[in-house]
Amino acid sequence: KNQVEQSPQSLIILEGKNCTLQCNYTVSPFSNLRWYKQDTGRGPVSLTIMTFSENTKSNGRYTATLDADTKQSSLHITASQLSDSASYICVVPVRTDKLIFGTGTRLQVFP
Amino acid sequence: DTGVSQNPRHKITKRGQNVTFRCDPISEHNRLYWYRQTLGQGPEFLTYFQNEAQLEKSRLLSDRFSAERPEGSISTLTIQRTEQRDSAMYRCASSLVASGDYTDTQYFGPGTRLTVL
Repeated sequence: KNQVEQSPQSLIILEGKNCTLQCNYTVSPFSNLRWYKQDTGRGPVSLTIMTFSENTKSNGRYTATLDADTKQSSLHITASQLSDSASYICVVPVRTDKLIFGTGTRLQVFP
Repeated sequence: DTGVSQNPRHKITKRGQNVTFRCDPISEHNRLYWYRQTLGQGPEFLTYFQNEAQLEKSRLLSDRFSAERPEGSISTLTIQRTEQRDSAMYRCASSLVASGDYTDTQYFGPGTRLTVL
């Protein structure tokens, strides 16, 4: 069964600290994996898209890694800011017309 | 499962005109999403409905955009006073999400390609 599972479900950190969010997937065939950031009350905004051959990809303070062998991805946030408080969603397409969305990790950054 | 259908498949319009797209989701799916996709990019979220209620709207959705799903099934996306930058593929997706589900499997329609001249 195609599934995307994220952990932890929620996370609280202090401003300036680093954190890592996890995404495990069982989707086949695999073509790419996407991380989205979703602010409260808003829709998701794409952070990174990683293909099968990419191990790491950065977007500012966000760095995503992908291990296609173990079917795991992580999103590392460096030097967190208050504006990083949001839900982070991992998405894996099964095919062009079917995408599997994880339920996300809710991150709260406190001053 | 007849899949998600959208029409029209292509729409060419002049700048300033209004356009409306239709989405027929998979029967009994409670969620319906609208996305915009440009060439080579993944879908960018616009808005979504849980049954007939519009729950979220992206900042991408300006005041010229409106979406409806009055009876919790078919949805329409209307763009008023179109601009050239509105040219893109507009895709609809639907899913069935029950309380406690941790995965949301979204089925996408073929999209409506809008060209604003």
